[in-house]
Amino acid sequence: DGGITQSPKYLFRKEGQNVTLSCEQNLNHDAMYWYRQDPGQGLRLIYYSQIVNDFQKGDIAEGYSVSREKKESFPLTVTSAQKNPTAFYLCASRRETGTDMNTEAFFGQGTRLTVV
Amino acid sequence: GQQLNQSPQSMFIQEGEDVSMNCTSSSIFNTWLWYKQDPGEGPVLLIALYKAGELTSNGRLTAQFGITRKDSFLNISASIPSDVGIYFCCTRGGTSYGKLTFGQGTILTVHP
Repeated sequence: DGGITQSPKYLFRKEGQNVTLSCEQNLNHDAMYWYRQDPGQGLRLIYYSQIVNDFQKGDIAEGYSVSREKKESFPLTVTSAQKNPTAFYLCASRRETGTDMNTEAFFGQGTRLTVV
Repeated sequence: GQQLNQSPQSMFIQEGEDVSMNCTSSSIFNTWLWYKQDPGEGPVLLIALYKAGELTSNGRLTAQFGITRKDSFLNISASIPSDVGIYFCCTRGGTSYGKLTFGQGTILTVHP
């Protein structure tokens, strides 16, 4: 079945370590997104990519890095520079048609990162 | 960056009651989307709106794209316990074409 997969569901890391969250989609979508969600908060955009080998910073990119070497994959690295990394991370993908129609984003199940 | 103001932040209602929430922005958008998030899961699309003034229904859900293109509302009629969750409005575009921006969310609690 087509979909967007985030792994792992839960991740624990020690403070000061970099950690990479996986996001893979087989929907042939052009655009991919990473969001951060804190308890009781909305979704804040970290990075997004509209095409392979290109990506843009979102509203809270500091302390994060991404790559888009393949259309299917958009991994997010939470670096030691991110001061409060513990959060729920959501990846999304969207088909880019050049118009606004039928271009809704589909989300993965999320990765809950806990840094201790 | 672009901001969406979603209200109310939370709602506590009895089963069977109707619910209304809305989202406003200072910018004009061509698309308004409404998502629902269950606890510990990713958001799921409920309704998509593409035209100013458009009114769209999906079962007990009804959403409208404001005529000014700066706002949208979502109504849920005859709420049931499984309506519990966080509801988000979302827009795309504005100053950054590919960027998806979400409202702060409305937390809905339904008492049986």
